[in-house]
Amino acid sequence: AAGVIQSPRHLIKEKRETATLKCYPIPRHDTVYWYQQGPGQDPQFLISFYEKMQSDKGSIPDRFSAQQFSDYHSELNMSSLELGDSALYFCASSAGGDYGYTFGSGTRLTVV
Amino acid sequence: GQSLEQPSEVTAVEGAIVQINCTYQTSGFYGLSWYQQHDGGAPTFLSYNALDGLEETGRFSSFLSRSDSYGYLLLQELQMKDSASYFCARTGGNTGFQKLVFGTGTRLLVSP
Repeated sequence: AAGVIQSPRHLIKEKRETATLKCYPIPRHDTVYWYQQGPGQDPQFLISFYEKMQSDKGSIPDRFSAQQFSDYHSELNMSSLELGDSALYFCASSAGGDYGYTFGSGTRLTVV
Repeated sequence: GQSLEQPSEVTAVEGAIVQINCTYQTSGFYGLSWYQQHDGGAPTFLSYNALDGLEETGRFSSFLSRSDSYGYLLLQELQMKDSASYFCARTGGNTGFQKLVFGTGTRLLVSP
């Protein structure tokens, strides 16, 4: 079965650089979520999209932005990177009325 | 607030039964999910409760008491591969685009 695909798996950036993370949800899933997980922490909700429109916003810094495209893939853009942005970034998708959300394998971002 | 509290760590031996508790704040609560996450891996959906009572899925069961703002995950016939972090997570509505808010997470260590 198709899963949520995230790219890249690993990313190393320097401070003040920009990064773009990509997410390809499961086909026919109408909602995409982005989460940030620091070491030993629980996943923190960043932002979500329902049918390509932003549906909810969490603790996402102003330096970050995201969008969902016509083919339903989503991108998380991160600018002016800081050391504290080093984390695992997960994308998840779900279908309407589906209570089990499917997570991608994540992108491990390291800011040096 | 939407915080969910869990014990930080639980230890058990192979073949045993373990219960992981989760307490939550009731504001905007709709349902409680459980996710398993191995180190460096993606959260994987285990179960969901919207109504009071027990949901059983193989070796794993989940319970919810809305009146007590409390739920638990019960793992039976523990195996070494069950060593992982377990998160309870709440949703705030019955539509597919409701974000998950994760609990603090419980690290389960299964020993031989």
